[in-house]
Amino acid sequence: GAVVSQHPSRVICKSGTSVKIECRSLDFQATTMFWYRQFPKKSLMLMATSNEGSKATYEQGVEKDKFLINHASLTLSTLTVTSAHPEDSSFYICSARDMSGYTYEQYFGPGTRLTVT
Amino acid sequence: RKEVEQDPGPFNVPEGATVAFNCTYSNSASQSFFWYRQDCRKEPKLLMSVYSSGNEDGRFTAQLNRASQYISLLIRDSKLSDSATYLCVVNITPARQLTFGSGTQLTVLP
Repeated sequence: GAVVSQHPSRVICKSGTSVKIECRSLDFQATTMFWYRQFPKKSLMLMATSNEGSKATYEQGVEKDKFLINHASLTLSTLTVTSAHPEDSSFYICSARDMSGYTYEQYFGPGTRLTVT
Repeated sequence: RKEVEQDPGPFNVPEGATVAFNCTYSNSASQSFFWYRQDCRKEPKLLMSVYSSGNEDGRFTAQLNRASQYISLLIRDSKLSDSATYLCVVNITPARQLTFGSGTQLTVLP
C-alpha cells in the first residue's frame, strides 16, 4: 500500500517556540492532505485540509495563524505550530489522499507526538 | 448529534470469542464507509471498506444498512492481536474528508 511519512515522530519543545511537522507521500502524488489532532482516549479531529498550491481550509475553532499549513508540492505538506503552549501537546497525524483511484483512499502518516513544556 | 456514533466500550472478551461493533451515521448522503483500526499511540490503519452487499475478510465481516444508517463489524475467533481501537469512518462523497467515530476499544484476554 501507499506510504506516508511524518517527521519528526516525537518532539519536545519549550512554551513559546514553534515546531514544524512534515508530511510526505512517498510513492504517490497527493493533491490533498489532511491534518488531524488526537488527544488521549479521543478520536481524531480534523484540523485542516491542505490543497497543493492553494490556501488550507481550516475547521471551525482551529486558529489558522497558530497552525500554519503549507502544501508546496504534490508530495509534501507542513504544519507549523507557532508559539506553542502546553495545551497544544497532542498527537498530530497527517493523511494523504491518493487521487488515482475512484475510492480516493486516504493513507495516514505514523503521527507526531508533540509535548510542550 | 454526532455525525458518526459508536459505543466506546471497552469490550473485554476472551480469546476465541465473537464480538460485534455497531456504528450509526447521521448524513443519509454518505457514500463510503470504512472500518479503521488504531493501536495505542499509532496512526489509524484501514481494516476494510464496507459495501452495501456486506463483505468479509477472513475473520472480519462488515455490514452496511443504508435504510437504518447503520454499520457493523463482526470479529470471529478473536485473537490477542485484535486488541485495538476500532474506528467507524464515513465519507460523504469521495472528494470530502473522512469523518471518524470516537472509536470502540477492544481488549482480547488470554
